[in-house]
Amino acid sequence: DAGITQSPRHKVTETGTPVTLRCHQTENHRYMYWYRQDPGHGLRLIHYSYGVKDTDKGEVSDGYSVSRSKTEDFLLTLESATSSQTSVYFCASSSGQGVGGELFFGEGSRLTVL
Amino acid sequence: GENVEQHPSTLSVQEGDSAVIKCTYSDSASNYFPWYKQELGKGPQLIIDIRSNVGEKKDQRIAVTLNKTAKHFSLHITETQPEDSAVYFCAATSGSQGNLIFGKGTKLSVKP
Repeated sequence: DAGITQSPRHKVTETGTPVTLRCHQTENHRYMYWYRQDPGHGLRLIHYSYGVKDTDKGEVSDGYSVSRSKTEDFLLTLESATSSQTSVYFCASSSGQGVGGELFFGEGSRLTVL
Repeated sequence: GENVEQHPSTLSVQEGDSAVIKCTYSDSASNYFPWYKQELGKGPQLIIDIRSNVGEKKDQRIAVTLNKTAKHFSLHITETQPEDSAVYFCAATSGSQGNLIFGKGTKLSVKP
């Protein structure tokens, strides 16, 4: 299994506070992703990265920003958390995209915004 | 952009029976269709995938079929076991970057 870890695994915060979720991978994968998982919506892509300092928006990017200063780390930031951002966040990495680009997921970060 | 529809949302079967989960997609340029299994409290894991130039692929008790004309693909699990109980997601590639767009998931329960 790819070594991909997320931190924190659980966080409770209040509306309006900034939150940063960290994803760390040890596989030297070029591509990294942040998804959110909500009941009735499945997995939705927030942002992705195709290399150091190279990022792009996914399906549901509003209210989120990302940064990738090193191959192994991909940060997801909620500048001002809202209750609608309560969710389980999954990071994933892959060596390629599309065909042949198996995603390796972390175990998720459960965020509750009160 | 790509839209992936998955049915059913829940599926309950008796141990030993077969289970079928179906997905449709909208982007005719999609060329890769993986299936992920998510066990409780864990991240999804790839269990099988199929490329657009193949109609069917099998791996032991699981198989996937693809109908590009109709834009639908299906996961078939035979001789189900309690450990097959999980949430299953289908996905399809989207756009020039080839990012995966996931269906909403199917919760499969296998009753002993």
